[in-house]
Amino acid sequence: EPEVTQTPSHQVTQMGQEVILRCVPISNHLYFYWYRQILGQKVEFLVSFYNNEISEKSEIFDDQFSVERPDGSNFTLKIRSTKLEDSAMYFCASSYQGFGEAFFGQGTRLTVV
Amino acid sequence: AQTVTQSQPEMSVQEAETVTLSCTYDTSESDYYLFWYKQPPSRQMILVIRQEAYKQQNATENRFSVNFQKAAKSFSLKISDSQLGDAAMYFCAYRSAGMIKAAGNKLTFGGGTRVLVKP
Repeated sequence: EPEVTQTPSHQVTQMGQEVILRCVPISNHLYFYWYRQILGQKVEFLVSFYNNEISEKSEIFDDQFSVERPDGSNFTLKIRSTKLEDSAMYFCASSYQGFGEAFFGQGTRLTVV
Repeated sequence: AQTVTQSQPEMSVQEAETVTLSCTYDTSESDYYLFWYKQPPSRQMILVIRQEAYKQQNATENRFSVNFQKAAKSFSLKISDSQLGDAAMYFCAYRSAGMIKAAGNKLTFGGGTRVLVKP
């Protein structure tokens, strides 16, 4: 069964460092998303991406964040200068349509120290 | 903006018994999807069940079923014959079905309900 794959599963980084979280969405999907979940809290939308551009972003997704689809398969989230409060689980999701079911990756746990 | 509320932070159920999780939502839209996602300790998000708002029939997936009350904006999840593997956080989520913009519609999640299963 096709699945969304995220790497790494866990990343520890020092405050102020740049991190890149990687995702391989399901191959025929057209819509891509990043969500964040701070430990013990709800899952929050960060950004959606379609047709090689950001289509919607939340207030969390400030200038420190960027997304890219560098080739036909990868979808990345970059945090330029990490802060302690960026520590969270980051989920990538994809869907074939812009509505209906979205499939999630297993998440990347980011720890900023 | 849509909001999703799960009023039960935690529910406990005996193995083989039934538990019902509550979810209410607020929207002005008439066409949308509702989902229940399961998040086990591994923290992966696993889709349990989906409901399309235009369908009156309640969705069912094996031991999981929903009670969708569109007028009341309520979407509860019933887990029958609970198993130890059902222990997890459960999130209710909303997604617009309209494509006013070709943006892809985000999921809006509730705060989650932790389900504990007692052997």
